[in-house]
Amino acid sequence: NAGVTQTPKFQVLKTGQSMTLQCAQDMNHNSMYWYRQDPGMGLRLIYYSASEGTTDKGEVPNGYNVSRLNKREFSLRLESAAPSQTSVYFCASSDYNEQFFGPGTRLTVL
Amino acid sequence: DAKTTQPPSMDCAEGRAANLPCNHSTISGNEYVYWYRQIHSQGPQYIIHGLKNNETNEMASLIITEDRKSSTLILPHATLRDTAVYYCIVRVPHGSSNTGKLIFGQGTTLQVKP
Repeated sequence: NAGVTQTPKFQVLKTGQSMTLQCAQDMNHNSMYWYRQDPGMGLRLIYYSASEGTTDKGEVPNGYNVSRLNKREFSLRLESAAPSQTSVYFCASSDYNEQFFGPGTRLTVL
Repeated sequence: DAKTTQPPSMDCAEGRAANLPCNHSTISGNEYVYWYRQIHSQGPQYIIHGLKNNETNEMASLIITEDRKSSTLILPHATLRDTAVYYCIVRVPHGSSNTGKLIFGQGTTLQVKP
């Protein structure tokens, strides 16, 4: 099992550019999540999907959109990147007791 | 979900027990205490969780006070690889009426020293 995979690992964007962060899990979990982590801070929830076909906003959804493509895949899109979105982005999936996290995408917006 | 309070940093000698405290004085009766850790900017890793009884697994022990207002995570024989940020989180368990989302604080940075 690969667990939770994320692509890309690193990305540099210019202000105003768009991109999509990809996440996939092979554990047959219903719930998936996107978090961001700024330097020296804990993780903050951006969006989550409790089950296939549903998505909901977390603590910091502004500037982001998500798509739950199927049970395995949950993508995060930045339509017009801003320097304030420079961060490390983690995707996670969950069973009833435990969340499993991916390795993260390190995004810099210039 | 209840708020937690943790010390920002702690040191521990290699081979000794590391005791990480967490205060959750506003915890509700159906909320569990979860611990995760994050090693060197990797994705967080689940450690253990409990409701009111003490719990132990291969990684750690969790001691919850009788009034459930605080808990302690114990790493019995800390190694250098246990150096990480440890997060204490309280929430209702993931189920049909709960989405399982986690609210992270700033955690405790544990430095294990040789």
